[in-house]
Amino acid sequence: DGGITQSPKYLFRKEGQNVTLSCEQNLNHDAMYWYRQDPGQGLRLIYYSQIVNDFQKGDIAEGYSVSREKKESFPLTVTSAQKNPTAFYLCASKSSGRPGNEQFFGPGTRLTVL
Amino acid sequence: QKEVEQNSGPLSVPEGAIASLNCTYSDRGSQSFFWYRQYSGKSPELIMSIYSNGDKEDGRFTAQLNKASQYVSLLIRDSQPSDSATYLCAIQVGAQKLVFGQGTRLTINP
Repeated sequence: DGGITQSPKYLFRKEGQNVTLSCEQNLNHDAMYWYRQDPGQGLRLIYYSQIVNDFQKGDIAEGYSVSREKKESFPLTVTSAQKNPTAFYLCASKSSGRPGNEQFFGPGTRLTVL
Repeated sequence: QKEVEQNSGPLSVPEGAIASLNCTYSDRGSQSFFWYRQYSGKSPELIMSIYSNGDKEDGRFTAQLNKASQYVSLLIRDSQPSDSATYLCAIQVGAQKLVFGQGTRLTINP
């Protein structure tokens, strides 16, 4: 089965803790993305990576960090510096072979800060 | 002005009717436009992409693009209760980024 997986599905964090969200894809896609969605809102770009060992900040990168050591994996760390981390986090990927910028999403991780 | 604007709704349409969803954008350089469907609690699913002016049809869905007026729309014919969801409009900005609207919540009434 080809696709994008995210884990965990639900995550609870105490204030002051760092947490890492996993995103894996077996679609052989080059580009990967992290978005955040708040209730009733659209998606906002946190970080993206076009190739291994390279990534760029999106519109709301403060308080987050990423790595891209393997093509298949793009984990996101939510640090204690992120002031309001409770949100729905979505990972997406895109093949360089497709026209335009068609991105496909994983199932998401819902993070709640207690 | 937001880069991508959608009416947040809710938009209520009777079953079997045509649902019309609209989106306006500010970046005249955008070349790629997308509609995603998102069921409550789930992740977005790509349903249509459109790159040139005019209409693009796929089953019951038709995307319409007018670059001169900077709007893109989605028509859903023969609406079904299973079409009830939030529809997100997205446009490509630059080489890699998508910018999303806040979404329109659509309800199909049986």
